[in-house]
Formats: sequence, structure tokens, C-alpha cells
Amino acid sequence: QITLRESGPPLVKPTQTLTLTCTFSGFSLTTPGLAVGWIRQSPEKALDWLALIYWDDDKRYNPSLKSRLTITKDTSKNQVVLTMSNMDPLDSGTYYCARRAWAGLDTWYEPWGQGTLVTVAS
Amino acid sequence: DIQMTQSPSSLSASIGDRVTMTCRASQIIDTYVNWYKQEPGKAPRLLIYGASRLQGGDPSRISGSGSGTDFTLTISTLQSEDFATYYCQQSYKTPYTFGQGTKLEIK
Repeated sequence: QITLRESGPPLVKPTQTLTLTCTFSGFSLTTPGLAVGWIRQSPEKALDWLALIYWDDDKRYNPSLKSRLTITKDTSKNQVVLTMSNMDPLDSGTYYCARRAWAGLDTWYEPWGQGTLVTVAS
Repeated sequence: DIQMTQSPSSLSASIGDRVTMTCRASQIIDTYVNWYKQEPGKAPRLLIYGASRLQGGDPSRISGSGSGTDFTLTISTLQSEDFATYYCQQSYKTPYTFGQGTKLEIK
């Protein structure tokens, strides 16, 4: 069974850096083709794709946030870490990690973690 | 970025109805569209990938179609568990953008 679980602080202050950890089980991020991504959901329920890290350490970022995001992995711990700098109240929302799966050229995210709610406020 | 526009934003229907919702991409994306279902308080869950390929375990009354820029998700014979919010996502190129969602409500 594949599971993912996000963890991190529920509250951060504006301008601070957010660090979120995705701990997963049921697969290894050393398996060719696999990747783990981060998606956030605003309080208004809009979904934003943030970043993705592949088994070979290749990384992709949302260009609109690229200067603020860093994604890394620790395969020995089965973890993926996302940092987001210079947090703003507009960054508040639920942050999800999810496994990227694929078949041929099709790719999708499944399963997702339960999400972690982050509020940015002073 | 590729924009994904879903319509309608909300939809009221009754148990047993057939409903269709649409997703339009701002450029041609072949069949690189996924559909997710989100129930209140839960994470999104994959329903369909590749525009029409049903995720294993989901009922065949759910179907997807389309290619190019226009895509549809159809649920025939609505059941109580179908009332949720549905999102499309393009997987053509990063950033893998989502539509704003269609909320399916009980009439």
C-alpha cells in the first residue's frame, strides 16, 4: 500500500521560510520513472502545482514560484522536502504531496497525502 | 502556462441523473488531461488519466472524453457518493495546471 504524509508547521510569519516534509511508504524514489510532487490548495479551493522531484534528482518548479522554492529528497528516509521562502499570507492553504505515476506518455498524481494546513500570519 | 477552464463552476443534479462537465485548455494538449475528485475534507483522488482511461476501481458509469483543447467528464446515473468537486489537470507540460473545479451538488 502506497501512502504519503505531509508534516510541517501550521503557522508561519510573513517573510519566514516554510519547510514541509513528505514521508512516504510503499515505493522507493530510486525506482526509475517515479517522482514526488507538491500541490497546494488555497482557501478558495484553487489547486496550484508547485514542484516535482524525480528518482534521478531532476527537478521541476512552477516558474511563478521558482525563485522561492527548493525541493530535495532523502531516499534513505523516504522523504521529500519542500522549502518556500519569503512566505506571504497569500501562501496560506493546504499543502499536499503526491506520487507521480505514469503509463507511456501519460502522467498523473496518485495517491495524495492527507495534506497539511499552513497559515501565514503575524 | 496552459490555462484550464472548467464549466460550469457548480452543478445541481438529482440521484439517477446523468451529468456532464467540461474542461477547456488554452492550447492543444492532445489527450494529456487527468480528472480528480475531491470530497469535503479529503485530498483529491484520481478518477481518469489520459483523458479517457478510468482509474482502476472506479465505476464504469464515470467516463472521460476529448482531445486537443476540449474535454468532458460524464457521470451517468448519479449516486450519492458522486456529489463532490471535480478538477481537471493538464499533464502536457509543466507547470501542470488545474482547472478551478466543478462542484456537483444535490438538487
